Amino acid sequence: ILNVEQSPQSLHVQEGDSTNFTCSFPSSNFYALHWYRWETAKSPEALFVMTLNGDEKKKGRISATLNTKEGYSYLYIKGSQPEDSATYLCAREGGGGADGLTFGKGTHLIIQP
Amino acid sequence: EPEVTQTPSHQVTQMGQEVILRCVPISNHLYFYWYRQILGQKVEFLVSFYNNEISEKSEIFDDQFSVERPDGSNFTLKIRSTKLEDSAMYFCASRGLAGRTGELFFGEGSRLTVL
Repeated sequence: ILNVEQSPQSLHVQEGDSTNFTCSFPSSNFYALHWYRWETAKSPEALFVMTLNGDEKKKGRISATLNTKEGYSYLYIKGSQPEDSATYLCAREGGGGADGLTFGKGTHLIIQP
Repeated sequence: EPEVTQTPSHQVTQMGQEVILRCVPISNHLYFYWYRQILGQKVEFLVSFYNNEISEKSEIFDDQFSVERPDGSNFTLKIRSTKLEDSAMYFCASRGLAGRTGELFFGEGSRLTVL
């Protein structure tokens, strides 16, 4: 059974502070790691897809890193804003022709003004 | 901006009834997916579809489930005889030419309630 774990489960952060959270996944037979941002009553929206060990990607104030050897990825948000409040999902994509994603439970981020 | 659309947004059905959930993926996308999320649980993969056939399915996707792309635009999920445990939010997603290095684009989901 593939288990993608995200921590923490929920997080309250003051507006303006920076924060980060973790996704850990089985490193064997790895193909790609996805991060999605999911606001209530909307569809999940892709942030990053990373495939290579050491990958770092950035989109505005949000960035992510990937370590495929030890099986983890970090998502960083710099200078949190209220609009960053959402659930952040990571999903692992396996190799060997499998093209379904295995999702973690998500980190629910609340930015407090 | 192109988007994935799903209908209905909410369907209530009696146990044992057939349900069809509809999705219109982004028009030039090639890979199509159904996922579901039971309340309070993880998003779970059901099935992927490419080149007019299922490319992968999970253990959840048993004989009660089927998918179809009948007309080149719609992508449907049919549950033949619904059970209480099929109650969930069902998400359709599509992926473009980048294939397995590309991101998935999700619809807003169809909430299925089985009574």
